[in-house]
Amino acid sequence: DIQLTQSPSFLSASVGDRVTITCRASQGIRSYLAWYQQKPGKAPKLLIYAASTLQSGVPSRFSGSGPGTEFTLTISSLQPEDFATYYCQQLNSYPYTFGQGTKLEIK
Amino acid sequence: EVQLLESGGGLVQPGGSLRLSCAASGFTFNNFAMNWVRQAPGKGLEWVSSISSNGGRTYYADSVKGRFTISRDNSKNTLYVQMSSLRAEDTAVYYCAKISMPGSAEYLQHWGQGTLVTVSS
Repeated sequence: DIQLTQSPSFLSASVGDRVTITCRASQGIRSYLAWYQQKPGKAPKLLIYAASTLQSGVPSRFSGSGPGTEFTLTISSLQPEDFATYYCQQLNSYPYTFGQGTKLEIK
Repeated sequence: EVQLLESGGGLVQPGGSLRLSCAASGFTFNNFAMNWVRQAPGKGLEWVSSISSNGGRTYYADSVKGRFTISRDNSKNTLYVQMSSLRAEDTAVYYCAKISMPGSAEYLQHWGQGTLVTVSS
């Protein structure tokens, strides 16, 4: 099975900061990676798919990079509504797997 | 508007069984693969299972293989997961999710609100 390791697991930042979350795959997954945002008590929301394609309606301050084994999610200028937990997911092969999550907190 | 409404969660004893349902509306159900994803209390997301649009192909996480069965009734626009031999570690909120585009990789664009399954004596 493909393992995904996110770093950092916790991130403290301020409004306006630029932040980057990394997701490393245990083997190559081409561009079959998605990023989700989840707020407490809510279902996840798809932000980015195919490693770098922004889902419709998602603000352009979010961006993703890939392909290969190391992927990043960057938020160019944090807004108050961005404080949440972020997950990557690989869809290169079954069983699909998620990273362990990165909790982004307000400093 | 896409809507996914899970039901069937509740308290079940270890070793017991439960069937979850996900009623779908707002899209052509039989065109889309569907997935179940779960989240244990205070933990991260765990992909559970996937089923193709016509139900002919199913896939499972190792943790549930042989115990869970995913299915769908396209005439009723409903997704199911039959869970048996339940364990304490199956305690989680279970989400059903719809992929973004037919024929694409199974990026999960739409999610239900989740239903809580608690396995405890």
